[in-house]
Amino acid sequence: DTEVTQTPKHLVMGMTNKKSLKCEQHMGHRAMYWYKQKAKKPPELMFVYSYEKLSINESVPSRFSPECPNSSLLNLHLHALQPEDSALYLCASSHQGQGEAFFGQGTRLTVV
Amino acid sequence: AQSVTQPDIHITVSEGASLELRCNYSYGATPYLFWYVQSPGQGLQLLLKYFSGDTLVQGIKGFEAEFKRSQSSFNLRKPSVHWSDAAEYFCAVGDGSSYKLIFGSGTRLLVRP
Repeated sequence: DTEVTQTPKHLVMGMTNKKSLKCEQHMGHRAMYWYKQKAKKPPELMFVYSYEKLSINESVPSRFSPECPNSSLLNLHLHALQPEDSALYLCASSHQGQGEAFFGQGTRLTVV
Repeated sequence: AQSVTQPDIHITVSEGASLELRCNYSYGATPYLFWYVQSPGQGLQLLLKYFSGDTLVQGIKGFEAEFKRSQSSFNLRKPSVHWSDAAEYFCAVGDGSSYKLIFGSGTRLLVRP
């Protein structure tokens, strides 16, 4: 199994809503990532978890809250988002110490 | 600081023609280099990678790339493009330890029938 699975595929939420994005991998990878991608732009790193501990936070606003319940799962909790947060949110995973990342299909988030 | 430059925003080729997408990187040590492809609204798929060894690497879908240290380049090539290759292509560099991937700005490939 070489897949990273993200749910939901699409999400529309209001600025006062709370929602969560989910990501799962079964490749035994110990590093997991959240990226944000705006239209016609490259992915931008948000968070990195290594061995289920947050190792990198790229100065992401606190309205985005990551969680890594176990080595296979990664969540991104969303609260009080702004319309400019609308984007494709990509999850990825990799072996520790290697930059080769496997990406999920993404969640297309629209904040209204 | 690491950086990646993809000088071509758009490239248009005819189906069956050869393709070369350019990528230049800036990194102090030996980099880990990657090419990813992204179809509209989809995630990124790894085409190929270079860590060390043979500087000509083969990837999926008939793609290859050549690492040239003297030119700080890692250009992607394909001898004969298919219409299904139309997509966005990202070059990326990583250092193998910090987990960070630095992406180039991407090149959009259009394929003429």
